[in-house]
Amino acid sequence: DIQMTQSPSSLSASVGDRVSITCRPSQNINSYLSWYQQKSGKAPKLLIYATSRLQTGVPSRFSGSGSGTDFTLTITSLQPEDFATYYCQQTYSSPFTFGPGARVDVK
Amino acid sequence: QVQLQESGPGLVKPSQTLSLTCTVSGGSINSTSHYWSWIRQAAGKELEWIGRIYTGATTSYNPSLKSRVTISEDTSKNQFSLKLSSVTAADTAMYYCARGHMVRGVSQRHYYGMDVWGRGTTVTVSS
Repeated sequence: DIQMTQSPSSLSASVGDRVSITCRPSQNINSYLSWYQQKSGKAPKLLIYATSRLQTGVPSRFSGSGSGTDFTLTITSLQPEDFATYYCQQTYSSPFTFGPGARVDVK
Repeated sequence: QVQLQESGPGLVKPSQTLSLTCTVSGGSINSTSHYWSWIRQAAGKELEWIGRIYTGATTSYNPSLKSRVTISEDTSKNQFSLKLSSVTAADTAMYYCARGHMVRGVSQRHYYGMDVWGRGTTVTVSS
């Protein structure tokens, strides 16, 4: 199985901040990396797929980059509705493993 | 607009089989552009991918659960289902069904993120 790590596991930020979360798979996954946002008690929401493609309806302040074994989710100008937990997931090979999550909370 | 809805018992006894169904509306599970997955999340824990199915009943399972998991489809009802046998307390979780995108390449399929999720259903394993 491909193991996924995320850093940081949590961070505190303020509205307007630029936030970056890193995801590192244990082996090369090409560009088969997605990012999800999950709020408490809700199902995850797809933000980005194929490393950098923004899902329809997702604000442009979210962006993704990277390749191989190093990926980043960036939120420019954090908004109040962005406080949540973010997960990465690889879909390069089965099982489609998720990262452990990165919680973004209010500073 | 495609919607997914999980259904099934909220309480299952240890050693029994957990059975859940995901009903798809607004789209067809026969789509050649999509795969259908089950994911679970124990309280306060990370997401765990259980497995997927796509048209033709082709399945793939998480090896950690493989011996206990079966995912099947009922195209006449536009549903797909999860069965997890010999459950224990460790199987207590929120269970989600979701739709992912799939592209057929020359020699293989390419899978992408899951864009439509059900609201989830809580399953507790307890006697």
